[in-house]
Amino acid sequence: GGIITQTPKFLIGQEGQKLTLKCQQNFNHDTMYWYRQDSGKGLRLIYYSITENDLQKGDLSEGYDASREKKSSFSLTVTSAQKNEMAVFLCASSRTANSDYTFGSGTRLLVI
Amino acid sequence: GDSVTQTEGLVTLTEGLPVMLNCTYQTIYSNPFLFWYVQHLNESPRLLLKSFTDNKRTEHQGFHATLHKSSSSFHLQKSSAQLSDSALYYCALLGNNRIFFGDGTQLVVKP
Repeated sequence: GGIITQTPKFLIGQEGQKLTLKCQQNFNHDTMYWYRQDSGKGLRLIYYSITENDLQKGDLSEGYDASREKKSSFSLTVTSAQKNEMAVFLCASSRTANSDYTFGSGTRLLVI
Repeated sequence: GDSVTQTEGLVTLTEGLPVMLNCTYQTIYSNPFLFWYVQHLNESPRLLLKSFTDNKRTEHQGFHATLHKSSSSFHLQKSSAQLSDSALYYCALLGNNRIFFGDGTQLVVKP
């Protein structure tokens, strides 16, 4: 089996700050995803990467950047944190772009 | 475009009663691939079951679902709810290189 590791688990930032979230997987999966989960709003796709040198915008990419540094890692940057923002960011990976996902345990963000 | 609709935001029922969570979808693909994910409190979503075969019942961990292409539905069912089934359930559809998730249904099972 494998694992998806997200760091940090908790992130407290200040308004306007640039914040970076990291995700590592050892499944040797091709495809990786970043989702945002807000209470009552389900899972919204921010960015995804089909293969190592690919980057695709999701439904909620404004205000974010992403980087697929290598096959096993996928980072997400909040370019300017919004005051009172509170959400969970979930990283996921899949064997191919047409496979089911495995999710990481999430990064909980609070902006003060 | 591709989308998933879960009509119930919250379902509350008593332990021992049957569970049915609704899911319908829209897609351009003639052979849709549907999923149910479950997310317990303070955990991440995990795959519960999946199907791409029309009219075939898929089962896992006491839950079952049948993909009906004629009605574009993939409802999740269980014959008898347990307290431990309380969780957030997402129906999802495989689209073009990504999965589309519904908004989720929160299931609360009471004693």
